[in-house]
Amino acid sequence: EDKVVQSPLSLVVHEGDTVTLNCSYEVTNFRSLLWYKQEKKAPTFLFMLTSSGIEKKSGRLSSILDKKELFSILNITATQTGDSAVYLCAVEAFDAGGTSYGKLTFGQGTILTVHP
Amino acid sequence: KAGVTQTPRYLIKTRGQQVTLSCSPISGHRSVSWYQQTPGQGLQFLFEYFSETQRNKGNFPGRFSGRQFSNSRSEMNVSTLELGDSALYLCASQGRDRYSNKDEQFFGPGTRLTVL
Repeated sequence: EDKVVQSPLSLVVHEGDTVTLNCSYEVTNFRSLLWYKQEKKAPTFLFMLTSSGIEKKSGRLSSILDKKELFSILNITATQTGDSAVYLCAVEAFDAGGTSYGKLTFGQGTILTVHP
Repeated sequence: KAGVTQTPRYLIKTRGQQVTLSCSPISGHRSVSWYQQTPGQGLQFLFEYFSETQRNKGNFPGRFSGRQFSNSRSEMNVSTLELGDSALYLCASQGRDRYSNKDEQFFGPGTRLTVL
């Protein structure tokens, strides 16, 4: 069974700090790893990673995937109070037929709290 | 681009009742996935539909069922409700952006179901 583990489960920082969120996974027939941000509503997409070692960046957020060691990290620099949210990591895998059919396996999430 | 809509947004039912939730995907998207989110179990995949066919199913009992219509709108039904079915039910719309030709996925706002 596919498994995704995120750490830490919660994190409290002050504005301006840099944080690193971790996601490790065990999945057969890996297709992609995705990061989401969830505030008091539905998850919003941040990044999709499919290739090892290639950093994806969006403003103060960046993410990288290591397919050999089966993990990914999400970095947030110069944190702001608006970054407070649950950050979810999910993996998508191909089934035996070579398709993924929209099934994502999620980690339990990291609750990030940024204080002013 | 109009977003994913889910109705109703909030629902209160009692044990033993049944409930039907609706999801309208983004125009042009033909794949709809359903997820259950609870504090204890996190986000868990229920099933995925594409062109009115269920292509993938998670590990939920048969009380959970769904369907998709020709206009890609999807419904999920839970029969004989149990207290443990109280959760946020999210649907995700998947498809390809016609301009960028990239796969995209968006979550709806969710339906908060409370079972008393």
